[in-house]
Amino acid sequence: DAGITQSPRHKVTETGTPVTLRCHQTENHRYMYWYRQDPGHGLRLIHYSYGVKDTDKGEVSDGYSVSRSKTEDFLLTLESATSSQTSVYFCAISEATSGRNEQYFGPGTRLTVT
Amino acid sequence: KNQVEQSPQSLIILEGKNCTLQCNYTVSPFSNLRWYKQDTGRGPVSLTIMTFSENTKSNGRYTATLDADTKQSSLHITASQLSDSASYICVVSERGQFYFGTGTSLTVIP
Repeated sequence: DAGITQSPRHKVTETGTPVTLRCHQTENHRYMYWYRQDPGHGLRLIHYSYGVKDTDKGEVSDGYSVSRSKTEDFLLTLESATSSQTSVYFCAISEATSGRNEQYFGPGTRLTVT
Repeated sequence: KNQVEQSPQSLIILEGKNCTLQCNYTVSPFSNLRWYKQDTGRGPVSLTIMTFSENTKSNGRYTATLDADTKQSSLHITASQLSDSASYICVVSERGQFYFGTGTSLTVIP
């Protein structure tokens, strides 16, 4: 998985509780992304980062926040988890966004909100 | 609206047979088109990347084609193996934005 780890890999939490997912990379890539994957939908972008402390929203950002204090770490926080946020979350990294630059994905975190 | 549509949604084939997966897109202009393989419980892994000026790219038994005029791409798998059972995702990128198809689920049976 190209030097990308996600933690935890599985989590069950209750509605209303805060949850933080961590993505860690060892590739020193500039761009980092958080996606969610749900049945019947393609991967959907939640937030992305183009550098330390530089982040922007994706198409499904409501209810999520992110932080990137170091190049290698990108955190996704659900401030108050809801059942609609039950999903598989993938982190991805890329060196750039144009041309043939690869986007590498982590192993995913399966989150269940009860 | 930029979209990427894949067909079929699912496919079952016998081991050793060939198959072709389709991807139609409306993203325009685009930087590149990628095909990913996603095994159950794992993240997607890149198979091929093509820019708009390329019309074919191979990676072992996987061959992707691109027709930028009709906005269609296909992924051809030759001599399928049980390990080819996975979801195959088409992704079109344009100015740093990535547009994902919903994938084709392929099952290869002995």
